[in-house]
Amino acid sequence: DIQMTQSPSSLSASVGDRVTLTCRASQSIGTYVSWYQQKPGKAPKLLIYAASTLQSGVPSRFSGSGSGTDFTLTISSLQPEDFATYYCQDSFTNPLYTFGPGSKVDIK
Amino acid sequence: VQLVQSGAEVKKPGESLKISCKTSGYSFSGDWIGWVRQRPGKGLEWMGIIYPGDSDTQYNPSFQGQVIISADKSIGTAYLQWSRLQASDTAIYYCARWIGLWHYFDYWGQGTLVIVSS
Repeated sequence: DIQMTQSPSSLSASVGDRVTLTCRASQSIGTYVSWYQQKPGKAPKLLIYAASTLQSGVPSRFSGSGSGTDFTLTISSLQPEDFATYYCQDSFTNPLYTFGPGSKVDIK
Repeated sequence: VQLVQSGAEVKKPGESLKISCKTSGYSFSGDWIGWVRQRPGKGLEWMGIIYPGDSDTQYNPSFQGQVIISADKSIGTAYLQWSRLQASDTAIYYCARWIGLWHYFDYWGQGTLVIVSS
């Protein structure tokens, strides 16, 4: 089975910081990666699919990149509403579609 | 697009349960819909999906035989059911629309908390 890892598991950042989160798959999954944001007590929200395609309505400060086994989610200028946990998902391996363990971004 | 889930449930081990996800704003029969588990303080787990148009269903092997995913296309509602709950089923369960081309969930329900405790 493909394993998804994310780093860092948590980080503290300030408003305005550029934040880069990493997701790694144990085998190549092409560009089949999705990224979600989850705030406490809320359902996850889709940010990015196909590794780099921004979901409609998501602010352009979010961007995704990568292919094969290594992927990144970048927030170009962190805003107060961006403090949350971010999950990547293997969107390739049917019928597992494993989520990564998450990266929590909190306020420094 | 809206997905509205049924309310929180408190059940005893061994009991059965069926939770629901009422959809609106899109063609229910023409899109996959699925379920995601989130245990307390933990991450997300993909459980399975169903295509309401023909009831084709795909399960994560970890959940195969443990739950049943179904749908009633006449009322635009998906279901997740258990025949015998266990304490380990305590979690929030989310329904979400699954986009089959690039395999992601784009719209999510608000979640249903299921507590299983004696």
